[in-house]
Amino acid sequence: AQSVTQLDSHVSVSEGTPVLLRCNYSSSYSPSLFWYVQHPNKGLQLLLKYTSAATLVKGINGFEAEFKKSETSFHLTKPSAHMSDAAEYFCVVSDLGGSYIPTFGRGTSLIVHP
Amino acid sequence: EAQVTQNPRYLITVTGKKLTVTCSQNMNHEYMSWYRQDPGLGLRQIYYSMNVEVTDKGDVPEGYKVSRKEKRNFPLILESPSPNQTSLYFCASSGGGRSQETQYFGPGTRLLVL
Repeated sequence: AQSVTQLDSHVSVSEGTPVLLRCNYSSSYSPSLFWYVQHPNKGLQLLLKYTSAATLVKGINGFEAEFKKSETSFHLTKPSAHMSDAAEYFCVVSDLGGSYIPTFGRGTSLIVHP
Repeated sequence: EAQVTQNPRYLITVTGKKLTVTCSQNMNHEYMSWYRQDPGLGLRQIYYSMNVEVTDKGDVPEGYKVSRKEKRNFPLILESPSPNQTSLYFCASSGGGRSQETQYFGPGTRLLVL
C-alpha cells in the first residue's frame, strides 16, 4: 500500500526567501516520487521526479528535492522564491510493486508576497 | 506540439443527462487516466487504461465509464450525472504503460451538475 502526506496546506513566503514544501510518503516497494505544479486555471506540470537514481533531484525553475529513505520524505525546496512560483504543488507517489494508481497528496498552496 | 487535449473545458448540465468528456493525446502513450480534483482532496484517479481495450478502476470509479478503442483517445462518460460529480476533471497520459512514468495532463474540464 502507498500513501503520501503533504504536511502543510498553505505555505507563505516573501519573494527572494527560501521555499520548503514538505512531503512524507509510505510505500511497500521502491517508490517513484513526483512533484507537480498547478498554476491557477491550468493543468498539472511535472517539476521533478525521483526513480531510484540520485537521491537529490533537480527540476525545472530552480526547484529540487531530496529523497530520504530513512525519513520517508521527499521535500521540495528552492533557494529563492519568485512571484511566478505562486501555485498549488502536489507530491505524488507511485509504487513499483504493481500498483497502477498513483497517489496524490492533498496539495500545498504556495503564496509569495512581494 | 506534444499535448493532451480535453473537450469541453467547461460544462453545465442537469442531473441525469448523459454526457461525455473527450480526451486525446498525440504522444503515442500507452497509459491514460482520468482524475477528479476537489478542494482539499488533491487528485483522485477515476479510471486508467494501460493500452487499447485495457481499462481498470481507479480509486473513485462509481458513476463513471470509460472506453479505449484507439490509443490516442480515452473518453470519460457520465451516464447519469449527479450533483456530487461536480468537479474539475483532468485527463493524463504517460509512456511505458505504467503509472511510474511522468504524466502529461490536459488543461482540465470544469463540470457543474445542477
